[in-house]
Amino acid sequence: DSGVTQTPKHLITATGQRVTLRCSPRSGDLSVYWYQQSLDQGLQFLIQYYNGEERAKGNILERFSAQQFPDLHSELNLSSLELGDSALYFCASGQSGPSTDTQYFGPGTRLTVL
Amino acid sequence: GQQLNQSPQSMFIQEGEDVSMNCTSSSIFNTWLWYKQDPGEGPVLLIALYKAGELTSNGRLTAQFGITRKDSFLNISASIPSDVGIYFCAGQGIIQGAQKLVFGQGTRLTINP
Repeated sequence: DSGVTQTPKHLITATGQRVTLRCSPRSGDLSVYWYQQSLDQGLQFLIQYYNGEERAKGNILERFSAQQFPDLHSELNLSSLELGDSALYFCASGQSGPSTDTQYFGPGTRLTVL
Repeated sequence: GQQLNQSPQSMFIQEGEDVSMNCTSSSIFNTWLWYKQDPGEGPVLLIALYKAGELTSNGRLTAQFGITRKDSFLNISASIPSDVGIYFCAGQGIIQGAQKLVFGQGTRLTINP
């Protein structure tokens, strides 16, 4: 158990809909990272938040957005969903030291868009 | 997006054999991480490397941070059935002006009993 929690574990929805994925980081971690993992593909970095503010952006679509709240939990919002958005979405947390940040992953949310 | 070159992509071995996989990059990293992912689960951190040349072990696993800071390898000795899974390397460094963690495509390990 990494200490990172994600809900829901599974999500099935239709094209055009909007969903929200939730992540709670490990106790003491200020950074939250979101990743997308499609079938048979590696992990694609989407976005990072540090202590409530956006710190880095990866390959995140404009239809996707995220935020980190004062209690440090984070939400990833996916809108106008397309079939290709079906994937595992992982959240990871870390402490974001000055030159490095070991990331611990949550169990993921499996999103299926029908 | 930018990714590391991880090899091999897949391995089929007999139980008890040793395993070796590596990652290379054109970018310099200040941290190398190795993760294992079981089907439907999140990646689990196996070993973290923070200094060039560092050699670190975790049980039957050994990983090294290359001197050039552009590569890393992971060895698994005397493989057992529970070693089956996908192993990912990840390098962390400044890429396009921001601190980023970049993942390899993974090495899928299959063990024949």
